[in-house]
Amino acid sequence: AQSVAQPEDQVNVAEGNPLTVKCTYSVSGNPYLFWYVQYPNRGLQFLLKYITGDNLVKGSYGFEAEFNKSQTSFHLKKPSALVSDSALYFCAVRDEGSARQLTFGSGTQLTVLP
Amino acid sequence: EPEVTQTPSHQVTQMGQEVILRCVPISNHLYFYWYRQILGQKVEFLVSFYNNEISEKSEIFDDQFSVERPDGSNFTLKIRSTKLEDSAMYFCASRTSRSPDNEQFFGPGTRLTVL
Repeated sequence: AQSVAQPEDQVNVAEGNPLTVKCTYSVSGNPYLFWYVQYPNRGLQFLLKYITGDNLVKGSYGFEAEFNKSQTSFHLKKPSALVSDSALYFCAVRDEGSARQLTFGSGTQLTVLP
Repeated sequence: EPEVTQTPSHQVTQMGQEVILRCVPISNHLYFYWYRQILGQKVEFLVSFYNNEISEKSEIFDDQFSVERPDGSNFTLKIRSTKLEDSAMYFCASRTSRSPDNEQFFGPGTRLTVL
């Protein structure tokens, strides 16, 4: 069975500083990894994904994530945080050998302080 | 930019009543999903739908739940007899079939409150 862990419920960072939101996963086969963001009263918005290829993937709004197979991690990063990045971030995984639905982590609330 | 829409945004119902949550997926998408998020908990998969039939469902999706694509645009989730524990945010999602790994696009959700 596939699973995702987001060890931090809350991450606070000062505007302009780099941010990292952590994610680790567990799958039986090769993972397909996704990051989604949820703003208040909005649906989940796709940020980026890793399927294959370069371990560093770039996505929307300046976000990037690094796939690390040995550590089974897919941490979300941004070099310089904005106040507008404050939102709830979800990591999700799908095993290439499984059906197409996503398994989500519990979410990390990112707060960027001005 | 095309988006998934859901109605209503908030539904309040009495325990035991039937509810229908509605979704309009992106028009050229062929795979449809329902997920739910109980307050403070993870987003959980309920069901996937393709070619007018359920392709996969989770253990949450019991006989009280059903899905339907009644016309070319709507995708509905019906809960026959709601329970208190059905209170959650329900998200609809869709994706195209052009790539096996493409992302799902989510709607804004319907908050269901069962009293």
